[in-house]
Amino acid sequence: DTGVSQDPRHKITKRGQNVTFRCDPISEHNRLYWYRQTLGQGPEFLTYFQNEAQLEKSRLLSDRFSAERPKGSFSTLEIQRTEQGDSAMYLCASNRYTEAFFGQGTRLTVV
Amino acid sequence: AQSVTQPDIHITVSEGASLELRCNYSYGATPYLFWYVQSPGQGLQLLLKYFSGDTLVQGIKGFEAEFKRSQSSFNLRKPSVHWSDAAEYFCAVGAAAGNKLTFGGGTRVLVKP
Repeated sequence: DTGVSQDPRHKITKRGQNVTFRCDPISEHNRLYWYRQTLGQGPEFLTYFQNEAQLEKSRLLSDRFSAERPKGSFSTLEIQRTEQGDSAMYLCASNRYTEAFFGQGTRLTVV
Repeated sequence: AQSVTQPDIHITVSEGASLELRCNYSYGATPYLFWYVQSPGQGLQLLLKYFSGDTLVQGIKGFEAEFKRSQSSFNLRKPSVHWSDAAEYFCAVGAAAGNKLTFGGGTRVLVKP
C-alpha cells in the first residue's frame, strides 16, 4: 500500500493555459474524490467517481473543469483556460469502505 | 445540506498543556464524523472517526473526541500537547461511511515551547 499519489506536487501556469493533474488511488479502492482547498479554508468537494463512473459533480466544478477515471484506476482533473481564482490546492482521496485516504495534493498557482 | 463549523480559527497552547478543538455540525440524520490533521503543504491524515456506538472515540497520536448529539458537537481533545502537534485540524461530516465529506474551515494550532 503506497498511499494516494498525486502528480505534479506544484504547478505554476499562466492565466488562460490548460493544466492537467493526475491522481493514483490506493489499489482496489473503488471510490475516488477530488477536493479543492483555498488558502485558510477547508477542502471543498468537487467530484466523485465509483470505479470509472463519475457519479456526482459539485456546482464548484464549472464547465472549464473536467475529470476522468478511465478503467477505474487513476484519475485526471483538467482545468481549461485557467483563471487566477483557480489557484488552490487540489486534493485527491480514495476509499473502499469507510474513511478516505488523501494524497499530498497538487498546488496550482495561476499567474 | 450538511455543514461544519469550527469556531476557533487559531489556538495557541503551551507544550504539555491540554488542547480542545471545537466542532459543531449540522446534519439531519445520523452523521459520520471525522477529524483530520494537515501539516503545511501536505495532505490530510485521519486522526479519528465516529460512526456509531461509544460516543468517546480514541484516535492516533493520543487524540480523542466526544460526540454529543444534543449539542451537535464533536470536539477533539488531547491531554498533553507536543510541539509536533502544531498543524491545522479539520472536522468533517459525511452522509455515510465512505461518502463525500463536508469540512469545517479548520483550526490552526500553534504550540509554544
